[in-house]
Amino acid sequence: AQSVTQPDIHITVSEGASLELRCNYSYGATPYLFWYVQSPGQGLQLLLKYFSGDTLVQGIKGFEAEFKRSQSSFNLRKPSVHWSDAAEYFCAVGAYNQGGKLIFGQGTELSVKP
Amino acid sequence: KAGVTQTPRYLIKTRGQQVTLSCSPISGHRSVSWYQQTPGQGLQFLFEYFSETQRNKGNFPGRFSGRQFSNSRSEMNVSTLELGDSALYLCASSPAGRGSSTNEKLFFGSGTQLSVL
Repeated sequence: AQSVTQPDIHITVSEGASLELRCNYSYGATPYLFWYVQSPGQGLQLLLKYFSGDTLVQGIKGFEAEFKRSQSSFNLRKPSVHWSDAAEYFCAVGAYNQGGKLIFGQGTELSVKP
Repeated sequence: KAGVTQTPRYLIKTRGQQVTLSCSPISGHRSVSWYQQTPGQGLQFLFEYFSETQRNKGNFPGRFSGRQFSNSRSEMNVSTLELGDSALYLCASSPAGRGSSTNEKLFFGSGTQLSVL
């Protein structure tokens, strides 16, 4: 079955500290992988995506993610967190022939301590 | 360019009623997808419309339906509302054409928060 697991429901980091959010997926086909961010009362904003090629992808707001096929993982990282990064982060998986359908993880809520 | 617009922003209904939610995609986008977001089930895909045709469908009962108009605006309808239908309903549009995958680039609206009492 296709699924996405985000093991951490809630993470708290200090401002300026590094961040890593974990994502593991189970998908039969070659997956498209995404990270989205959602602020309270808002829709989802795409941070970055991986389709093929270089396994380290850069996104907006200083985020990057690394695709590791052997571990079925696509972890999101940021070297220095800002207070404005506090939000909920969703990992998602899709495929070329799935149109607008993405399978989302349950999300990781990020809190940032001053 | 205006973003994806969803109306209304909030909605309160009672069990057994029906409801219609509206989504206006970004100008030029022909694909509109709908998602349901709840604390328990998370984000789940409802369906996608492309050029007025339903192209993909998630695992939701027939009470959930949608349509798309010639100007790409989309509506979704939920009939015989149940308490469990309380959720944030998100719409996403995509600029992708027929030959590419719409999930490559989805632009989400802020959603309609539906409460069923």
